[in-house]
Amino acid sequence: AQSVTQLGSHVSVSEGALVLLRCNYSSSVPPYLFWYVQYPNQGLQLLLKYTSAATLVKGINGFEAEFKKSETSFHLTKPSAHMSDAAEYFCAVSDRGAQKLVFGQGTRLTINP
Amino acid sequence: DGGITQSPKYLFRKEGQNVTLSCEQNLNHDAMYWYRQDPGQGLRLIYYSQIVNDFQKGDIAEGYSVSREKKESFPLTVTSAQKNPTAFYLCASSIVAGDTDTQYFGPGTRLTVL
Repeated sequence: AQSVTQLGSHVSVSEGALVLLRCNYSSSVPPYLFWYVQYPNQGLQLLLKYTSAATLVKGINGFEAEFKKSETSFHLTKPSAHMSDAAEYFCAVSDRGAQKLVFGQGTRLTINP
Repeated sequence: DGGITQSPKYLFRKEGQNVTLSCEQNLNHDAMYWYRQDPGQGLRLIYYSQIVNDFQKGDIAEGYSVSREKKESFPLTVTSAQKNPTAFYLCASSIVAGDTDTQYFGPGTRLTVL
């Protein structure tokens, strides 16, 4: 069965610094991977997804993620953090054939002024 | 505007009462989902439906029930059998239940059982 591990339940960076949120997956077949963002007391919004095309995926709000098969990783990055990036971020893998997503535990991103 | 609506946003119930959470979508999506979110546990799938009049149990279906009588609607009932119902509930939909299809989420309902 597919699974996702997000390293670090809380990440804190300064405004303007690099944002790096880590996601590792476990999958017996080529995975489809997603990053979602959730602002307080709201639903989730898709940032980007990997569906076996280009390994570097660009998303909304300046975020991007790189699929690395050898490391079974799909880390999310943004070159320069903005205060509005403060939110919780979820990595998810598609459970192929079961028509469902498996989510990681989430990483709460805090931006320091 | 197309989207997913969930109502109410906040819901308070006494222990032992059944409660139904509403989820409506006007995106013309075939597939709909219910998730439960608890702090530090991510999202866990309760039920999902790929088509009208059909639904499947997710990973934590015990104590919950659903119906899918209309394409637009997928209500979730939290029964008195659910041992710890206080949580944030999220409804989602996708065009179909495909592996690469994006799931779109509603704003959520926060249920508190007193």
